Amino acid sequence: NAGVTQTPKFQVLKTGQSMTLQCAQDMNHNSMYWYRQDPGMGLRLIYYSASEGTTDKGEVPNGYNVSRLNKREFSLRLESAAPSQTSVYFCASSLGQGDFNQPQHFGDGTRLSIL
Amino acid sequence: AQSVSQHNHHVILSEAASLELGCNYSYGGTVNLFWYVQYPGQHLQLLLKYFSGDPLVKGIKGFEAEFIKSKFSFNLRKPSVQWSDTAEYFCAVNAGDYKLSFGAGTTVTVRA
Repeated sequence: NAGVTQTPKFQVLKTGQSMTLQCAQDMNHNSMYWYRQDPGMGLRLIYYSASEGTTDKGEVPNGYNVSRLNKREFSLRLESAAPSQTSVYFCASSLGQGDFNQPQHFGDGTRLSIL
Repeated sequence: AQSVSQHNHHVILSEAASLELGCNYSYGGTVNLFWYVQYPGQHLQLLLKYFSGDPLVKGIKGFEAEFIKSKFSFNLRKPSVQWSDTAEYFCAVNAGDYKLSFGAGTTVTVRA
């Protein structure tokens, strides 16, 4: 099984450009998440989708939008990239359905640099 | 909102030494607790989790963690580390909802 697949793995953008990070999971999970990882700050939740058709803000949603395209796919969009959004982005999924003791499964990450 | 504190930013050990990483959280209700590991260049992987029952939980690769409710702590231990345990370790807490709060992480370097 592939688990959680993220594309692209690396990206360099100029300030003001837009892009979409893609994420897909093949574990039939209900919940999906987007995090950013910055040195010394751990992972911070950007947005999450508890189930298909729903999305909610996490800890650091400003400057981002998300789309839960279907049960498998959850994309993250930067409309106008800023240098402060330089980070490593991780997508994750979990069983959900109120079963919060189940772990999240993570993708390999997207390393994004904004110049 | 809950917060998670990891006591050490960077730990350097020699092989065969014992490892203990501290984790404290600030939430008074029922919690689900996790330790994740991130090996260099890889994604996060689950080491172990606690949600109920025996407060001493065992995970993969010889790791274990003890939940002490009175201290709001969930410390990670390994009796004898190997060079391959070099990684970043994250404590995470879920307070019965969809949000998982992570600590800042502890980088562990094991010298051969």
